[in-house]
Amino acid sequence: DAKTTQPTSMDCAEGRAANLPCNHSTISGNEYVYWYRQIHSQGPQYIIHGLKNNETNEMASLIITEDRKSSTLILPHATLRDTAVYYCIVRVNFGNEKLTFGTGTRLTIIP
Amino acid sequence: GAVVSQHPSWVICKSGTSVKIECRSLDFQATTMFWYRQFPKQSLMLMATSNEGSKATYEQGVEKDKFLINHASLTLSTLTVTSAHPEDSSFYICSASLRGRADSGANVLTFGAGSRLTVL
Repeated sequence: DAKTTQPTSMDCAEGRAANLPCNHSTISGNEYVYWYRQIHSQGPQYIIHGLKNNETNEMASLIITEDRKSSTLILPHATLRDTAVYYCIVRVNFGNEKLTFGTGTRLTIIP
Repeated sequence: GAVVSQHPSWVICKSGTSVKIECRSLDFQATTMFWYRQFPKQSLMLMATSNEGSKATYEQGVEKDKFLINHASLTLSTLTVTSAHPEDSSFYICSASLRGRADSGANVLTFGAGSRLTVL
């Protein structure tokens, strides 16, 4: 699976949009971009995934650049409950189902 | 939605004893489950892949005789930490694969809430 690079930490004001970047310059054509988050002392939670098109669900939006070498997770209206470590992971969908976690971005929402 | 239940959520045991952690998929069948370990302020590290009806596949450096994994049914996998020692104190998390629609390409993992093990 391709390696990803994320900032170690970020702050965001409550109510504002939180934009979390991820670099994955060695991503292969058959690898998807997945985002998970882990709130303190809990198991990770799936947020969103995409291949090459931008995606949106009830939790977030995922913007993938045209060359697929980077992506941005957007939490449109951050709340205090969004404080967590956010993991960007790229992986193929078949033949290798495991998730390999990097260090992620620790997002802190400021009141 | 898909739910993975872990039990116990926390356990304290004496050094030298064995501890069993259960991981159940409540509303779906999981042919594959994964066990992770997380030390304080660190990321999740994959320990092993548990396949229903067959032996688990362990990651490099994980002792298979110490961390016994059983996946006897499509909804239950267990991790037994044998002869636990203080260095085994950690947060253990299981996950199960829930495949999405065939056309979506999704292969989402659902995680349990984790089990915090403290070995005295």
